[in-house]
Amino acid sequence: DTGVSQNPRHKITKRGQNVTFRCDPISEHNRLYWYRQTLGQGPEFLTYFQNEAQLEKSRLLSDRFSAERPKGSFSTLEIQRTEQGDSAMYLCASSWGRDTEYEQYFGPGTRLTVT
Amino acid sequence: GEDVEQSLFLSVREGDSSVINCTYTDSSSTYLYWYKQEPGAGLQLLTYIFSNMDMKQDQRLTVLLNKKDKHLSLRIADTQTGDSAIYFCAESSITDSWGKLQFGAGTQVVVTP
Repeated sequence: DTGVSQNPRHKITKRGQNVTFRCDPISEHNRLYWYRQTLGQGPEFLTYFQNEAQLEKSRLLSDRFSAERPKGSFSTLEIQRTEQGDSAMYLCASSWGRDTEYEQYFGPGTRLTVT
Repeated sequence: GEDVEQSLFLSVREGDSSVINCTYTDSSSTYLYWYKQEPGAGLQLLTYIFSNMDMKQDQRLTVLLNKKDKHLSLRIADTQTGDSAIYFCAESSITDSWGKLQFGAGTQVVVTP
């Protein structure tokens, strides 16, 4: 068990470009969450998957954001036409949705800087 | 929406006990959590408590829950320099999307020698 991994760890992009982040959850965890954390704040929920199904999206997730989990394992989060306000740490978490769904384990995050 | 509030900063001397406080507003909160974040890192799950419990102890950590006042605290005994970090309180509610966490803004704990 290597924990939740995220790639890349850091991404610098110019405004208007598209970016994609990847999250690999703990193996056999069937729930996967994306959060966004801005400086000085706690993480804010973005979206959640159970297996490959995306079950909830926050109103924070504008049309420029899309998340997928095609095979119920890894997940990608894409931001199209990035804006400076998208600069943040994007955190992924996973949990085992049977008896321990309340234990969410976080990855190290991807820090996005939009210039 | 539901709010989770924490004090922003705590300074403590090495060897003393730290107490970090949190208040929440959602009366349907089911689980309450404490996470630790070190600089540049993700969040580490420290401990959590189910809402029908008053206290939970795990080695140096003691969680107290006052459900009537919607107040949660984390006590760290014998605080060490390695405990310097930001501590986040979070809650999840069974009436909301199961497992979605609502976080406070975090309490920065600085441990001085």
